[in-house]
Amino acid sequence: KAGVTQTPRYLIKTRGQQVTLSCSPISGHRSVSWYQQTPGQGLQFLFEYFSETQRNKGNFPGRFSGRQFSNSRSEMNVSTLELGDSALYLCASSLEGVLNEQFFGPGTRLTVL
Amino acid sequence: GQQVMQIPQYQHVQEGEDFTTYCNSSTTLSNIQWYKQRPGGHPVFLIQLVKSGEVKKQKRLTFQFGEAKKNSSLHITATQTTDVGTYFCGWGTGGFKTIFGAGTRLFVKA
Repeated sequence: KAGVTQTPRYLIKTRGQQVTLSCSPISGHRSVSWYQQTPGQGLQFLFEYFSETQRNKGNFPGRFSGRQFSNSRSEMNVSTLELGDSALYLCASSLEGVLNEQFFGPGTRLTVL
Repeated sequence: GQQVMQIPQYQHVQEGEDFTTYCNSSTTLSNIQWYKQRPGGHPVFLIQLVKSGEVKKQKRLTFQFGEAKKNSSLHITATQTTDVGTYFCGWGTGGFKTIFGAGTRLFVKA
């Protein structure tokens, strides 16, 4: 069974630009969660999607948004990038939600210059 | 807000020594999950505990969930160099989000 895939793996952007990250969950998994990981803040929850519906959102500004498609693939978008957005962005898929085992993808390393 | 406090932040051990990381919450948790992240890698699920006082073992790893479901621990017996990495506890809330502890980074010296 293929694991969670994320594209791109690395991204370099400049302040003010926007970025879209993609996540393909494990086949059959309907829940996708996104996390931001930084050395200082650890793993911070961004949002969770299930069957195309956002069920919860973390404490991040509105510049961070996401969506999920009918095939469970998910994208997250960050607009008007700031230096502090530099981080590893991880998505995790699970069968039904965060109360199940979550399978993480390799992450997208975003660097904002 | 709801937080899971994880200690210690770092732990240096000699290979063969034991290691323990703790997660503490001020509120009762419905469940606790443990993940391991190798350097340069992504978190990998280890286990989930849901019952009060639950103890589970995976080879040299022992996981405990406190009687009051407010704390949990991961204990590694006789560490090996392959155990290096960061261990995270996480709490899956009923609101469809996971709150993670800050993680404990384990260094093992051969």
